[in-house]
Amino acid sequence: QKEVEQNSGPLSVPEGAIASLNCTYSDRGSQSFFWYRQYSGKSPELIMFIYSNGDKEDGRFTAQLNKASQYVSLLIRDSQPSDSATYLCAVNISGGYNKLIFGAGTRLAVHP
Amino acid sequence: EPEVTQTPSHQVTQMGQEVILRCVPISNHLYFYWYRQILGQKVEFLVSFYNNEISEKSEIFDDQFSVERPDGSNFTLKIRSTKLEDSAMYFCATSGLAVQETQYFGPGTRLLVL
Repeated sequence: QKEVEQNSGPLSVPEGAIASLNCTYSDRGSQSFFWYRQYSGKSPELIMFIYSNGDKEDGRFTAQLNKASQYVSLLIRDSQPSDSATYLCAVNISGGYNKLIFGAGTRLAVHP
Repeated sequence: EPEVTQTPSHQVTQMGQEVILRCVPISNHLYFYWYRQILGQKVEFLVSFYNNEISEKSEIFDDQFSVERPDGSNFTLKIRSTKLEDSAMYFCATSGLAVQETQYFGPGTRLLVL
């Protein structure tokens, strides 16, 4: 069974701080990795994707991938109360037709 | 910005009834997917669809489920005889041609089976 694991949280950070969200995955052959944001009762909204080892930055968001450790993370700089949501890590597993396996999500709470 | 749309937003049905959930993909996307999320649980893959046939399906996607693209625009998920445990949010997602293409999700249909 190919799994994606995330700490469920809640992760509580003050406004303006850096939020760090982590994810591990079991399928060593996985090639692409996605971070989605999900507000309560809403659908997953794509934030970032990463395919290569290292860092990828997009505005306040940085995704980090370490395939050797089977670890992917998302950093949110200058966190805002509007960033409060559940962050879903999703992995496109090897051998699948773009089948995404999701983690259970980490709930982030940014307090003023 | 193009987006995936889904109808209805909410559906209440009696156990044993058939339901059809509809999705309009982003116009130049060719891969289509259905996922579901039971309240408080993970988003789960159901099925992927390309070139008018199923590419992959999960163990959840049993004989009660079917998908089709009846008119070249809509993409539908049919549940033939709903069960209580089918109550969930159902999300349609679509992506372009590349294998690693990102998937964009529709707003979802909340299905409640009584």
